Amino acid sequence: EAGVAQSPRYKIIEKRQSVAFWCNPISGHATLYWYQQILGQGPKLLIQFQNNGVVDDSQLPKDRFSAERLKGVDSTLKIQPAKLEDSAVYLCASSLSPGVPEAFFGQGTRLTVV
Amino acid sequence: RKEVEQDPGPFNVPEGATVAFNCTYSNSASQSFFWYRQDCRKEPKLLMSVYSSGNEDGRFTAQLNRASQYISLLIRDSKLSDSATYLCVVMMNTGFQKLVFGTGTRLLVSP
Repeated sequence: EAGVAQSPRYKIIEKRQSVAFWCNPISGHATLYWYQQILGQGPKLLIQFQNNGVVDDSQLPKDRFSAERLKGVDSTLKIQPAKLEDSAVYLCASSLSPGVPEAFFGQGTRLTVV
Repeated sequence: RKEVEQDPGPFNVPEGATVAFNCTYSNSASQSFFWYRQDCRKEPKLLMSVYSSGNEDGRFTAQLNRASQYISLLIRDSKLSDSATYLCVVMMNTGFQKLVFGTGTRLLVSP
C-alpha cells in the first residue's frame, strides 16, 4: 500500500516569498491533516479536512497560510508571504475517517526561510 | 495550559534499563490516547494505543488513568534502537475529532 506522499522534501526561500507544498494521502482516506513541526516541538495542527471540507483551521495563520483539498484527494498548503518563524517541517497525514484515529504521516517538507 | 504536556527530556539510559515516560492532558472529554514514535528527521509513526485497562506490546507497556488525566509508557530492557522521541497523542472531540500531539520526550539509549 502506498503511503502519504509529499513534495518537495526540502525548500529554501527568502522571507516575503511564497511557497506551496503538496500532499497526496493514502487512497480512500477521508481525513487529511497538515501539521507544522518546529525543531524541538511536537507537531501542531494547522488544518484538518474531512473529504474536501475544512473541519478545523483554528490554528492556521489565515493572513498568510491557505490550504485546499481538491476533490477530496490531494491537498496543497501555501504560505504567502513567508516569515522567518515559518521555518519548520510541514507534515501531511491522513486517516481512514475521524473515527479511526491512526494517522499515517508523509515524510514532510522541510522549509527554511532565510 | 497546554492540551497535552510531556517532559521533553532527554532521558539518557544504558542498554537494558527500564524507563518510563508520563503525559498529562487537560481536556477531560478526551476519547482516545496513543503513543507515537518519531526518529530523528523522520515522520511520526504509531507505536501503540493506550487503553484504560493498560496494554502491553512486547517490551512496551502503556497505561491510562482517566481520573488523573494521565498516560504513561514503560519500556523494559531498553535497546539502542529505542532511541527516539516518544510523542503522547490525544484524540479530542470538540465538535469534531482531532489529534493533539505533545511536545515529545526524547530517549537516548547508550551502550
